[in-house]
Amino acid sequence: NAGVTQTPKFRVLKTGQSMTLLCAQDMNHEYMYWYRQDPGMGLRLIHYSVGEGTTAKGEVPDGYNVSRLKKQNFLLGLESAAPSQTSVYFCASSYRTSGLLEQFFGPGTRLTVL
Amino acid sequence: RKEVEQDPGPFNVPEGATVAFNCTYSNSASQSFFWYRQDCRKEPKLLMSVYSSGNEDGRFTAQLNRASQYISLLIRDSKLSDSATYLCVVNGGTGANNLFFGTGTRLTVIP
Repeated sequence: NAGVTQTPKFRVLKTGQSMTLLCAQDMNHEYMYWYRQDPGMGLRLIHYSVGEGTTAKGEVPDGYNVSRLKKQNFLLGLESAAPSQTSVYFCASSYRTSGLLEQFFGPGTRLTVL
Repeated sequence: RKEVEQDPGPFNVPEGATVAFNCTYSNSASQSFFWYRQDCRKEPKLLMSVYSSGNEDGRFTAQLNRASQYISLLIRDSKLSDSATYLCVVNGGTGANNLFFGTGTRLTVIP
């Protein structure tokens, strides 16, 4: 099992450019999440999905869009990149359960917007 | 007010020492609590869940105080390999699937 994978690992964009980050998981998890991690801020939830074809906003959704067309994939799009979106982006997935739930994280994508 | 607050440290301790981390959370409806570990430039990984009665996993002990909305992590007999950032994590409320992460407490274990 590869677990949670993310592509690309690194990317540099110019202001105004667009890009898509891909997250894939092979654990048959129902839930998937996108976070960003900035110094002094901790991880913050951007968007999440509780199943194929469904998405929901998290804590910091502005400037991002997501899609979950297949259960194993969760895409994060930046329509018009801004320097404030320079960050490390982590994707995570988890089982659906009514109790405690562990999230499994991908290795992250380091994005710099100039 | 942040959902989860932690002392950022850094904590520098000698091998074999006992070290304790604390965190507070603001949402009294939170029901799920965790400690995650994050190594430098790596992804977070679950260290342990935190149960109401407190729980232990080897050298690690987690405690929860719901009345004070306070979570702790105790590491005994610190090893060099324990050097990492420890993230306090709580869920967003009753039945909520979203998690809130603290900024983390950095630990360095010194030989």
